[in-house]
Amino acid sequence: KNEVEQSPQNLTAQEGEFITINCSYSVGISALHWLQQHPGGGIVSLFMLSSGKKKHGRLIATINIQEKHSSLHITASHPRDSAVYICAATDSWGKLQFGAGTQVVVTP
Amino acid sequence: NAGVMQNPRHLVRRRGQEARLRCSPMKGHSHVYWYRQLPEEGLKFMVYLQKENIIDESGMPKERFSAEFPKEGPSILRIQQVVRGDSAAYFCASSPGQNSHEQYFGPGTRLTVT
Repeated sequence: KNEVEQSPQNLTAQEGEFITINCSYSVGISALHWLQQHPGGGIVSLFMLSSGKKKHGRLIATINIQEKHSSLHITASHPRDSAVYICAATDSWGKLQFGAGTQVVVTP
Repeated sequence: NAGVMQNPRHLVRRRGQEARLRCSPMKGHSHVYWYRQLPEEGLKFMVYLQKENIIDESGMPKERFSAEFPKEGPSILRIQQVVRGDSAAYFCASSPGQNSHEQYFGPGTRLTVT
């Protein structure tokens, strides 16, 4: 059983819709990362958070340490947001353990 | 400040050959992580290195795989006697360390074993 679980596996939204991706983890962590992987394969780090909430443009990430749960929200989604979104838990060494990813498709 | 660089971006090897993948971390970063993404699978940790030291290699296959991060030059992931199952995307990420868990990913090397 993966110690980092993401849901949903796949998500299709219409342009403009609000999107939420959830991540639960069962290990002790130092931080939680949200990553974006585009069809070309490159990985971009969107957020690293250990508490509370962070916002960057239309993206918002939250984490609840007590419940071992994090969410990534995309407001006013756009076709260019289509990508795989991956959450990853960091142990005390900084090593990442990854969720399986959520494939997001935003249609015009 | 250049980002993390990996080369080559694409590498084709025949079964039994050696593959060498290079990772140059961001300037000032002394910590490197290697991750592997098999086709249709998620990312998995392989090895964590600091300059001249392997800190954690718990994700590395026991045979044929090795990694180094010398005092000078890039980190190298070496795969000897490659097999078809080694075909994957290999990503490295660098971190400044010093209690920072920020990681910056390179573009990856896509290894194809024929």
